[in-house]
Amino acid sequence: DVKVTQSSRYLVKRTGEKVFLECVQDMDHENMFWYRQDPGLGLRLIYFSYDVKMKEKGDIPEGYSVSREKKERFSLILESASTNQTSMYLCASRQGRNSPLHFGNGTRLTVT
Amino acid sequence: GDSVTQMEGPVTLSEEACLTINCTYTATGYPSLFWYVQYPGEGLQLLLKATKADDKGSNKGFEATYRKETTSFHLEKGSVQVSDSAVYFCALTGGGNKLTFGTGTQLKVEL
Repeated sequence: DVKVTQSSRYLVKRTGEKVFLECVQDMDHENMFWYRQDPGLGLRLIYFSYDVKMKEKGDIPEGYSVSREKKERFSLILESASTNQTSMYLCASRQGRNSPLHFGNGTRLTVT
Repeated sequence: GDSVTQMEGPVTLSEEACLTINCTYTATGYPSLFWYVQYPGEGLQLLLKATKADDKGSNKGFEATYRKETTSFHLEKGSVQVSDSAVYFCALTGGGNKLTFGTGTQLKVEL
């Protein structure tokens, strides 16, 4: 079974802090994604990556950056956390465009 | 850009009732279509998919048919159970590798 592991289940940070969310997958997938999930808004794509060191902006990239130095790891960075970034963050990976997404368990981030 | 529109919830049904959750999409080219499900306290998982027009995806008694003429991918089940209570997300892959989700529809099934 594919495993997508997010480093933290719950995280509390202060406004202005730099925040790193880490995600690792163990199935050599090409594509990795970061979404945020908010009530009434569903899942919104922040960034995705289709290869090492390659990244593309999703629908809501403002305030975020990403890093993919190794194929199995995809990091989401909040350069200066703000309260409107309080959310559930979901990492996912898949091999190709018709393959299913495999999700991690999510990181619930609270910015105070 | 690509977009997915789902019916708003929550949808509340009695056990053994019929279910339809509407999903329509806008995309360039020939998207692949998916339904994902999120059970309470769990992560999202794939329920079914269809990759070309007129394909029918099915799993766990759920079905959805890719209708290119109406740009729809409605989720149906003939007899729901309490254990089907969850949030259901319609999604598509359009050009490239980006996967776009709808806002989700919560289903509550009561005895």
